Amino acid sequence: AQTVTQSQPEMSVQEAETVTLSCTYDTSESDYYLFWYKQPPSRQMILVIRQEAYKQQNATENRFSVNFQKAAKSFSLKISDSQLGDAAMYFCAISGGATNKLIFGTGTLLAVQP
Amino acid sequence: KAGVTQTPRYLIKTRGQQVTLSCSPISGHRSVSWYQQTPGQGLQFLFEYFSETQRNKGNFPGRFSGRQFSNSRSEMNVSTLELGDSALYLCASSLQGRTGELFFGEGSRLTVL
Repeated sequence: AQTVTQSQPEMSVQEAETVTLSCTYDTSESDYYLFWYKQPPSRQMILVIRQEAYKQQNATENRFSVNFQKAAKSFSLKISDSQLGDAAMYFCAISGGATNKLIFGTGTLLAVQP
Repeated sequence: KAGVTQTPRYLIKTRGQQVTLSCSPISGHRSVSWYQQTPGQGLQFLFEYFSETQRNKGNFPGRFSGRQFSNSRSEMNVSTLELGDSALYLCASSLQGRTGELFFGEGSRLTVL
């Protein structure tokens, strides 16, 4: 079984500042992927960043980067130079095995203050 | 390239009725997944189809069913609706069958009265 835990229901950051969203997971799979998805108020979920578990190097996508600690089963998302458009619900998710099935965390609602 | 299209976007049903939701994936995508999103339970996996075959099913009662057609379009059906079925139903498609990199539609908001 796979589980994902996001312990921060809400976070707030000032525009242009940096914020880190936390995520821990558990899985019995040896081959798995980790994701951060963003769901803005318009509801359409979009992929922010993806990490293959077998890769030690942390993934980065422009202002978004992850801190992947495999032994600790931790997968945090860092957003640098926060923008108003970053305000959204952020979901951490895991998939494993030969499937696209995602297990999501409960989400972190990020507010960006001007 | 058109994104994932879900219809209808909003619908209201009464208890005991049934509903069919439709999802058209991104062209070329063969994997379609369905998720239920509610304030109380969050995002829960319903099922996944790949090339017309159901590969995975979540922990939902048999009232929830789905299928995928040869053109990769998918439908899900909920019979004998209950109040607790009120939710946002999200469809997602993927080019590959195992990476979890999903492209989501805007969802179908179902309200059961």
